[in-house]
Amino acid sequence: EIVMTQSPATLSVSPGERVTLSCRASQSVSSNLAWYQQKPGQAPRLLIYGASTRATGFPARFSGSGSGTEFTLTISSLQSEDFAVYYCQQYNNWLTFGGGTKVEIK
Amino acid sequence: EVQLVQSGAEVKKPGESLKISCKASGYSFTNYWIGWVRQMPGKGLEWMGIIYPGDSDTRYSPSFQGQVTISADKSISIAYLQWSSLKAADTAMYYCARIVGPTVEYVDYWGQGTLVTVSS
Repeated sequence: EIVMTQSPATLSVSPGERVTLSCRASQSVSSNLAWYQQKPGQAPRLLIYGASTRATGFPARFSGSGSGTEFTLTISSLQSEDFAVYYCQQYNNWLTFGGGTKVEIK
Repeated sequence: EVQLVQSGAEVKKPGESLKISCKASGYSFTNYWIGWVRQMPGKGLEWMGIIYPGDSDTRYSPSFQGQVTISADKSISIAYLQWSSLKAADTAMYYCARIVGPTVEYVDYWGQGTLVTVSS
């Protein structure tokens, strides 16, 4: 099973800051990686697929990059509505989620 | 509009059986994989298994194989997740999810979740 490791577990940031979240795979997943955003009390929501394609409804301040085993989700200027938990998920070999990164208000 | 509407919250005792549902609408139910995802209280997301309603091809994550049963009734566009004997450790939110791609890729639509509480 491919293990997905996200870091850091928690990120405390101020609105307007640039945020970088990391996701590492235990073996190559090519570009078969998605990111989801989950707010408290809500179902997750697709944010990025194919490692870098932004899903419908998300603004350009969200971007994804990487391939193989190292991936990054960047939020260029954090807005109040972006405070949430972010999960990566590989779909190269079965399906596995990372443990998540909580982005909280500093 | 694609919608996945799940059945309501459940409170059960250890050892009881349970079947929760996920009603799909707004798309061709038989042409997309449906998956189930567990989220234990305060924890992350875990894939439990998936089903292709078109031919009932079902696959389970190793951790959930033998612990739950996933099924679907394509005549009424509903997917199910069931337990034969619940444990306290099954207390969690369960989400159904529509999966993009015949090769099983990512989720583009989620149900609202069903909270299952197992307590004596």
